[in-house]
Amino acid sequence: DAKTTQPTSMDCAEGRAANLPCNHSTISGNEYVYWYRQIHSQGPQYIIHGLKNNETNEMASLIITEDRKSSTLILPHATLRDTAVYYCIAETGANNLFFGTGTRLTVIP
Amino acid sequence: KAGVTQTPRYLIKTRGQQVTLSCSPISGHRSVSWYQQTPGQGLQFLFEYFSETQRNKGNFPGRFSGRQFSNSRSEMNVSTLELGDSALYLCASSLDRGLDGYTFGSGTRLTVV
Repeated sequence: DAKTTQPTSMDCAEGRAANLPCNHSTISGNEYVYWYRQIHSQGPQYIIHGLKNNETNEMASLIITEDRKSSTLILPHATLRDTAVYYCIAETGANNLFFGTGTRLTVIP
Repeated sequence: KAGVTQTPRYLIKTRGQQVTLSCSPISGHRSVSWYQQTPGQGLQFLFEYFSETQRNKGNFPGRFSGRQFSNSRSEMNVSTLELGDSALYLCASSLDRGLDGYTFGSGTRLTVV
């Protein structure tokens, strides 16, 4: 399974778009990119996933580069409740998730 | 719909004891996975069950075991507890293989003294 690299921390102003990058240069053709987030003291929450096309749902958008070596999670209008650790995961069956250290996003009022 | 339910929420045990944690998945979900979260190691995969069979296993000693019942409810057991087993234990369920994402419970916080 491909390893992912994420910045340790990021800040974002409330109401602005939060763009969280993830590098997965060794990703293989059948590995999906998954994003989860974990708010303090809670279990991780699934956000979105994709294979090679950009994806959007009610929570976020996922932009995957054409070579699939990196992706960006976009929270279009960040709120204080979006403050969390965000994990980018590259997995095949996704039944053995390797979470890594993630990015701690702090939304600032 | 009801989410993933883990019981108990908190637990304190003594070294050498054993403990059993329970997880009730979302109705209809057949895959249940367990994770351990500690400040030092982060989230680590323990094992996954599907239709009462262990389908995948992480790199944990044999003291960590689990099972899944016919109603998809799952339990994990840790025998001969060590101080290092203190952690948040998380259960996650999905329809199959988490392809559409796993739903996690709030976890059981185990403290070993």
